[in-house]
Amino acid sequence: DAKTTQPNSMESNEEEPVHLPCNHSTISGTDYIHWYRQLPSQGPEYVIHGLTSNVNNRMASLAIAEDRKSSTLILHRATLRDAAVYYCILRDGKAGDKVIFGPGTSLSVIP
Amino acid sequence: EPEVTQTPSHQVTQMGQEVILRCVPISNHLYFYWYRQILGQKVEFLVSFYNNEISEKSEIFDDQFSVERPDGSNFTLKIRSTKLEDSAMYFCASSGNRGQPQHFGDGTRLSIL
Repeated sequence: DAKTTQPNSMESNEEEPVHLPCNHSTISGTDYIHWYRQLPSQGPEYVIHGLTSNVNNRMASLAIAEDRKSSTLILHRATLRDAAVYYCILRDGKAGDKVIFGPGTSLSVIP
Repeated sequence: EPEVTQTPSHQVTQMGQEVILRCVPISNHLYFYWYRQILGQKVEFLVSFYNNEISEKSEIFDDQFSVERPDGSNFTLKIRSTKLEDSAMYFCASSGNRGQPQHFGDGTRLSIL
């Protein structure tokens, strides 16, 4: 799986939007961009994924650059429960089905 | 919302003993996985399982490890002779199809004494 680069940590104020960046300059045409998060003492949790177009779901939005070399996970209104490690992951089904986790971005939410 | 459940939540075992970690995947899922996370480190892939056989395994998944789906609902990970370095959180996951999002359980904390 191609490599992604994320900041080690970020802070956000409660009830404000959060933009979590991810760079993936070596992405291939068949790589999907997946985001997972891991709350303290819990297993990873799927957040959202996309290929080329921006995506929205009840948890977040995913904005994908036109050249697909970067993407941004958007939490529209951070809550204390959103404090977690966020992982940006590229997945190509042809190369295997495992999820390869990097170190992710540790998001702190300030009340 | 359906979820993956794992038991026990915490397992303490003497070094050299066998341990079995249990998982109940989401009922209509066909692909099953085990991952582990050593304290303070990344989540690491161990093995994927489909159609009653291993489809992929990592170099961590050596001969001490085995997986089984003994009935229609459970998915187990067995460690035959545990070592101190096996102490970690073990996460089970399942998905409905290859490449689809994986749903994780909350893990079993394995402590080897």
